[in-house]
Amino acid sequence: SYDLTQPPSVSVSPGQTANITCSGDKLGDKYSCWYQQRPGQSPVLVIYEDTKRPSGIPVRFSGSNSGNTATLTISGTQAMDEADYYCQAWDTTTALYVFGTGTKVTVL
Amino acid sequence: QVQLVESGGGVVQPGRSLRLSCAASGFTFSRFGMHWVRQAPGKGLEWVADIWYDGSNKNYADSVKGRFTISRDNSKNTLYLQMNSLRGEDTAVYYCARVSTVTTSLDYWGQGTLVTASS
Repeated sequence: SYDLTQPPSVSVSPGQTANITCSGDKLGDKYSCWYQQRPGQSPVLVIYEDTKRPSGIPVRFSGSNSGNTATLTISGTQAMDEADYYCQAWDTTTALYVFGTGTKVTVL
Repeated sequence: QVQLVESGGGVVQPGRSLRLSCAASGFTFSRFGMHWVRQAPGKGLEWVADIWYDGSNKNYADSVKGRFTISRDNSKNTLYLQMNSLRGEDTAVYYCARVSTVTTSLDYWGQGTLVTASS
């Protein structure tokens, strides 16, 4: 099976930059996307096709994907960005969806 | 606006069955693939199953293959998940989600319905 690994937690000060990584075998050859899940809420898509932002997502959210690692970057982090973040990819070999292990972002 | 509303969750004994529904509105349901994703209490997201826009193709996670069946009724704008032989590890919030037409990402999610498999 295809696995995506994320750090369990990331801490960031308000106004600073948070980088959340997602590692998987040859992940750069696939499209990655990212979801934000605030406590008690449903996930929300924040990045798709590695770098694109859906309508309504702030410009401080950006993404990249190369080699074995995809990265979600939150620039100028705000208190409202405190949430769990999940990467996701589509395994072309099995045609199955895979979610990363999730990262809790804490804004100190 | 796009709305996905899950229902059918509840407490069920291990080994029994349950059927979840997801009522869709605000978009042309028959044009979109749909997914079920679950989240055990305090845990991460786990993909469960997906179905093509016309129901012609279905995929399942290994953890539910042979026990769960995804289906849809495009005339009723409704997605289903039939869950048989439930186990304690199936306890989770179950979300339905819509696949974007241009990518493989899930662009809209429902609010979720809780399934508890316990005696």
